[in-house]
Amino acid sequence: NAGVMQNPRHLVRRRGQEARLRCSPMKGHSHVYWYRQLPEEGLKFMVYLQKENIIDESGMPKERFSAEFPKEGPSILRIQQVVRGDSAAYFCASSPVESTEAFFGQGTRLTVV
Amino acid sequence: AQRVTQPEKLLSVFKGAPVELKCNYSYSGSPELFWYVQYSRQRLQLLLRHISRESIKGFTADLNKGETSFHLKKPFAQEEDSAMYYCALSAGTNAGKSTFGDGTTLTVKP
Repeated sequence: NAGVMQNPRHLVRRRGQEARLRCSPMKGHSHVYWYRQLPEEGLKFMVYLQKENIIDESGMPKERFSAEFPKEGPSILRIQQVVRGDSAAYFCASSPVESTEAFFGQGTRLTVV
Repeated sequence: AQRVTQPEKLLSVFKGAPVELKCNYSYSGSPELFWYVQYSRQRLQLLLRHISRESIKGFTADLNKGETSFHLKKPFAQEEDSAMYYCALSAGTNAGKSTFGDGTTLTVKP
């Protein structure tokens, strides 16, 4: 089991472009969580998804950010019209069910120039 | 509202010395507490959780509800313990949705 896979590891976007971050959960895991980590800060919960459903998006900014976890394929975190303040590390975690352990990917470092 | 505070951004000890990484939390209910560790250039991984009451790599942590603390301790630090440590709180048993502290960078000097 390769673990939670995130790609790309590094992503550079110009202001106004779109950023797409991908997360493939561990095999057999149907729950995915996205976190954002700003410089010098801890991880902040953004959204919790199960296959084809958004369960909790209480941490998602109201505009420009969206997430999906289709029946087939990876979970996608999409940021439209990126701004400099979106520069951060974005982490994905997965679990088989609502579990006492979640497994993290290595993160995608987004830089907006 | 849930909050996790790790008061020390940086902590440096010598090899063989005891180490304690502090974590305080704010939550009105019964929390589930976790410690995660991130070694250099590796992914975040769960170190231990309070409900398991286990010791991993010599580390232990006790939940003190009176002081709302969950400090991580190890009696004799090793150089390989150098890493970033995060304390996290979950309102239920779903560890996937957690509130994290800002982390403490532990450096163990030879």
